[in-house]
Amino acid sequence: DIQLTQSPSFLSASVGDRVTITCRASQGISNYLAWYQQKPGKAPKLLIYSASTLQSGVPSRFSGSGSGTEFTLTITSLQPEDFATYYCQQLNTYPLTFGGGTRVDIK
Amino acid sequence: QVQLVQSGGEVKKPGASVKVSCKASGYAFSSYGISWVRQAPGQGLEWMGWIYAYNGNTNYARKFQGRVTMTTDTSTSTAYMELRSLRSDDTAVYYCAKKNRGVIPPENWGQGTLVTVSS
Repeated sequence: DIQLTQSPSFLSASVGDRVTITCRASQGISNYLAWYQQKPGKAPKLLIYSASTLQSGVPSRFSGSGSGTEFTLTITSLQPEDFATYYCQQLNTYPLTFGGGTRVDIK
Repeated sequence: QVQLVQSGGEVKKPGASVKVSCKASGYAFSSYGISWVRQAPGQGLEWMGWIYAYNGNTNYARKFQGRVTMTTDTSTSTAYMELRSLRSDDTAVYYCAKKNRGVIPPENWGQGTLVTVSS
């Protein structure tokens, strides 16, 4: 199975900060990577797919990049509603797998 | 708009089975699939598998093969996920999601169903 390692697992940031989360795959997955945001008690929300394509309705402060084994999710100017847990998911190979998550908390 | 409404929470004893339903609306149910993902308390997301509504083809994660069965009823636009031989570590919130064609991940999810396995 393809392992996805997210870093950091936790980060503390302030409103207005630029935040970068990394997702590393144990083997190449081309650009078949998605990013989700999840808030407590809620289902995951799709933010980005195909590594860099912004899902409709998602604010442009979210962006994704990468290919192969290394990917990043960047949030420019963090907003209060962005404090949540973020997951990456690879869709290249079955079983589909998720990263362990990155919790973004208020500093 | 696309909606996926799941059945209510369940409490089961170890060794029992659970069947979670996911009723879809707002799109052509038979033209897509349904994925199932679970999340243990305080833990990350785990993909369980998917089923295509139009032909019943399934793809289960190896971890669940032999214990899980995913089905659909196109007459009621409802998908089902049955998990057997429940253990305490199956305690989790189970989510269904509309599976898009190709490698586009799901943007429509159910609200989740908490399954608690406890003696």
